[in-house]
Amino acid sequence: KAGVTQTPRYLIKTRGQQVTLSCSPISGHRSVSWYQQTPGQGLQFLFEYFSETQRNKGNFPGRFSGRQFSNSRSEMNVSTLELGDSALYLCASSPGQGGDYGYTFGSGTRLTVV
Amino acid sequence: AQRVTQPEKLLSVFKGAPVELKCNYSYSGSPELFWYVQYSRQRLQLLLRHISRESIKGFTADLNKGETSFHLKKPFAQEEDSAMYYCALRGGYNKLIFGAGTRLAVHP
Repeated sequence: KAGVTQTPRYLIKTRGQQVTLSCSPISGHRSVSWYQQTPGQGLQFLFEYFSETQRNKGNFPGRFSGRQFSNSRSEMNVSTLELGDSALYLCASSPGQGGDYGYTFGSGTRLTVV
Repeated sequence: AQRVTQPEKLLSVFKGAPVELKCNYSYSGSPELFWYVQYSRQRLQLLLRHISRESIKGFTADLNKGETSFHLKKPFAQEEDSAMYYCALRGGYNKLIFGAGTRLAVHP
């Protein structure tokens, strides 16, 4: 069974640009959640999608958005990039009710904003 | 407020010594708690979830609602246990609230 796939693995962007990150969950998993990992703030929840609907959102500005497609693949977008957006972005998939099954994480996309 | 606290940034032990990684939580309701591990250059992996009460790689964790704790324990540490350990709380739907993490270093 293929794991959670995130693309691209690395990105370098300039301040003010926008970026789109992609996550393909484990086959059959319908929930995808996104996290930002930084040395200063640790792992912080961004948002979660289930069956193409955003069910939960963290405390991030509106520049951070996401969506989920009918095949459960998800994308997150960050507009007007700031230096502080440099981080490792992780996505996690679960069948639906993650508390029963846990969450499987991808390797992440490392975004560097210069 | 929903919060997870891991008071130790680094825990350094010798091989064969017992290990206890501390985790305290704040949550109004029935908590669902997890331990995740991240080995060097690897992805975050689920180690334990309190619902299943499993023992994985010799690690156990017991939920203590009175002390609001979910400490991770292993009686005899191995060098391959060296990694970053994160305690996490499920805070509604599939939102995980992570602690800051504890780096476990096991010395030969």
